[in-house]
Amino acid sequence: RKEVEQDPGPFNVPEGATVAFNCTYSNSASQSFFWYRQDCRKEPKLLMSVYSSGNEDGRFTAQLNRASQYISLLIRDSKLSDSATYLCVVNPMRGSQGNLIFGKGTKLSVKP
Amino acid sequence: DAGITQSPRHKVTETGTPVTLRCHQTENHRYMYWYRQDPGHGLRLIHYSYGVKDTDKGEVSDGYSVSRSKTEDFLLTLESATSSQTSVYFCAISEGGLQYFGAGTRLSVL
Repeated sequence: RKEVEQDPGPFNVPEGATVAFNCTYSNSASQSFFWYRQDCRKEPKLLMSVYSSGNEDGRFTAQLNRASQYISLLIRDSKLSDSATYLCVVNPMRGSQGNLIFGKGTKLSVKP
Repeated sequence: DAGITQSPRHKVTETGTPVTLRCHQTENHRYMYWYRQDPGHGLRLIHYSYGVKDTDKGEVSDGYSVSRSKTEDFLLTLESATSSQTSVYFCAISEGGLQYFGAGTRLSVL
């Protein structure tokens, strides 16, 4: 089983749609979790951290289910500018400097 | 902006030649990382550094070496480039458990 698995997509949605991505991880001892966004031919950029209690940042909501070892990202009211690849990222180690494990990414395309 | 600069941004080289990529940071971060990104594989860690002269291997270190003689610079060297090392290379720093990336270097080995 791969360490971090994501549906590669692409997810093609109209503007204004709500879209959800899921990600599963294999190491039950993993400590922290993130979503990164990567635009075409650009570097990955941190979108948000994911907490057990769930967290929201504007139109974006991230959830963590430790029992099922999955992480989700919900995007409401999709904008054209949300088109990108979304990377699920897991820190498997205790401590703040653990080497991150990246999923391969889910591609989102928002159409007019 | 995490103050990370990668150079060169693009490079084309021939098989068998040595290549060095540079990552420069301006904010005195202790941890630095080199990744490669390829279609179908996502980001894979090559080497990382946890201080001056302190480095360790990542998942895909074969064929690569690194050096960190000062805090601000982390160099990645391909001793003898092969076509399988054609990739996009990203440098990253760690701050508070989060990683921030440079703009990347696109390397083509012909």
